[in-house]
Amino acid sequence: KAGVTQTPRYLIKTRGQQVTLSCSPISGHRSVSWYQQTPGQGLQFLFEYFSETQRNKGNFPGRFSGRQFSNSRSEMNVSTLELGDSALYLCASSPKGGSATNEKLFFGSGTQLSVL
Amino acid sequence: QQQVKQSPQSLIVQKGGISIINCAYENTAFDYFPWYQQFPGKGPALLIAIRPDVSEKKEGRFTISFNKSAKQFSLHIMDSQPGDSATYFCAASKAGGGADGLTFGKGTHLIIQP
Repeated sequence: KAGVTQTPRYLIKTRGQQVTLSCSPISGHRSVSWYQQTPGQGLQFLFEYFSETQRNKGNFPGRFSGRQFSNSRSEMNVSTLELGDSALYLCASSPKGGSATNEKLFFGSGTQLSVL
Repeated sequence: QQQVKQSPQSLIVQKGGISIINCAYENTAFDYFPWYQQFPGKGPALLIAIRPDVSEKKEGRFTISFNKSAKQFSLHIMDSQPGDSATYFCAASKAGGGADGLTFGKGTHLIIQP
């Protein structure tokens, strides 16, 4: 079974632009979560989707948004990019309940975003 | 507010030794405590997890010790090997998730010297 796939692997953007990151979960997984990883703040929860519905959202500004499609694939969007948005963005999938049942998360290798 | 504090930030252990990483949490509603291992260029991968109804869980060379009254838990890696060199994250969550999803510690960079 293929793992969690995130595209693109690397992205370079400039301040003020917007960006869309993509995540394909493991086949059959219904829950997708997104995390931001930075050297200073570590891993921080962005949001979680289950069956196309956002179930939870972390403490990030409204510039960060996401969605999930009927095939469980997910995208996250960051608008009006700031220098501080430079980070590794990780997507994780889980089979059923995700955070509702404390399931194991399967992480992708992430998208490294650099904002210049 | 950092709800899960992890120490040390970095750790160097000789091959064959015991690696110990500690975490402390604040939110008594947490009921799931996983440890993730991350290699450079890869996403974190679940290593082992424990729930607060047990005080210890062992899987191969990896053991979690859990002290509910002290709100602390730790990872012990026995017979540490160079292949164990990675960054380790403790985490915590509560069933039902909530706004925090998985709350991670800041990570421990572990180096096992041959």
